[in-house]
Parts: sequence; C-alpha cells; structure tokens
Amino acid sequence: QVQLQESGPGLVKPSETLSLTCTVSGGSVGIGDYYWSWIRQPPGRGLEWIGYKSYSGNTNNNDNPSLKSRVTISVDTSKNQFSLRLSAVTAADTAIYYCARDNRGSIDFWGQGTLVTVSS
Amino acid sequence: EVVMTQSPLSLPVTLGQPASISCRSSQGLVFSDGNTYLNWFQQRPGQSPRRLIYKVSNRDSGVPDRFSGSGSGTDFTLKISRVEAEDVGVYYCMQGSRWPYVFGQGTKLEIK
Repeated sequence: QVQLQESGPGLVKPSETLSLTCTVSGGSVGIGDYYWSWIRQPPGRGLEWIGYKSYSGNTNNNDNPSLKSRVTISVDTSKNQFSLRLSAVTAADTAIYYCARDNRGSIDFWGQGTLVTVSS
Repeated sequence: EVVMTQSPLSLPVTLGQPASISCRSSQGLVFSDGNTYLNWFQQRPGQSPRRLIYKVSNRDSGVPDRFSGSGSGTDFTLKISRVEAEDVGVYYCMQGSRWPYVFGQGTKLEIK
C-alpha cells in the first residue's frame, strides 16, 4: 500500500516561497507511469490541482490566474520524495496542501494534507 | 479549461434512501486512448479525499457496492442505493482527460 506524507512549514510570510515535501513509502517515485501531484483546498472550499511531475520529467502546472506560473514541482528518486515550491505567496494561497499519486488521470493515493497559512 | 458542474450542491437524505449526484462537463471527456477519465471522490469531515469510482463506473477496492457510477460524453452520475450514516461528507467529481484536471464544486451529503 502506497503512503504519502507531506511536510513543511505551516506558516509562510506574504511574498515568500512556500516549500513542501512529500515522502512516499510502500512504492517508488522512480518506477511506473505515475504523475506525482500537488492539490490544494482553501479552508471550507473545494479542490484545485496545482500540478504534477513524473520521474522521467513529464510535467504540467496549472496556469490559471490563482497560480500564475509560480509553481515548481521536482522529484527526487534518491530520497523517494517529491516537492512543491510556490513563489510570491499571498493570503489567497492559504490552504490545505495535499500530495497525491496520479495514476492515468485519476488519483489513487492521497497524503493526509498539511495546512499552510500565509500571514505576516 | 474544462468546467465541471455538480448538482445539487447540498443533498439532505434520509437514512436508507437512495441518493444521486450529477456531474456535467463543458467538453467531452473521451481521451485519445478511448477511455473517459471521470472520477468520483468522497471527503469525510476532517479527512483527505478518497477515490470511490474511476473511469466513470469502476469501483475502487473496499468501496461498498451501494456506490455506482454511470454516464458518458458530458453527463455523469454517482448513485448511492441506500445511504448510511458513514456516507456523510462532500462528494467531488473530477476529470482527468484534459489538462488542467478539474474538480467539480462538491456536493455536501447530510442526513435528514
């Protein structure tokens, strides 16, 4: 059974960069046709895809106005982790951030989520 | 970007009664490989989402058979044959056929 666990600061200052890491166990980020993904959920609201990256380098980021090309996702096969960097954050980026495994257009495994608050 | 529209957004249901959630996409969801990547997720209060259904009608392992998915083209439905107390939560459809993948707004199921 694949398990994912997010880690990183729970508080980020406005204009700074949000950095989160997802550690994968029970499976390898360097095997298979999976896209390692980030999704977020503002408190009390719905789900928004941020982007994904495969170990082979296939990548896609959501360029909608709320994310505006601020996203970088990387995969580290040596640590069996993948990471999210979201630059120039504002209060609108306050959300629960989930890491997940995208298996051919569907998420089959989710992390438990981590709340990141943007505030000075 | 594909827009996913769910209805209703709020669904009060009596225990033991059926429930149905509609999800409509603004574009057809058939992928180039012939599959339709339409998924349904359940998010119980305070939990991560959990996949119930993938590729329109395939139930995940461990999901009770009272949950079923159907549909084609742009119209999809999640049905619960007899609602139980543990089904309380928010249900999301999600299309994985066209980037960016998009979730519906969510349907909050509550017990009357």
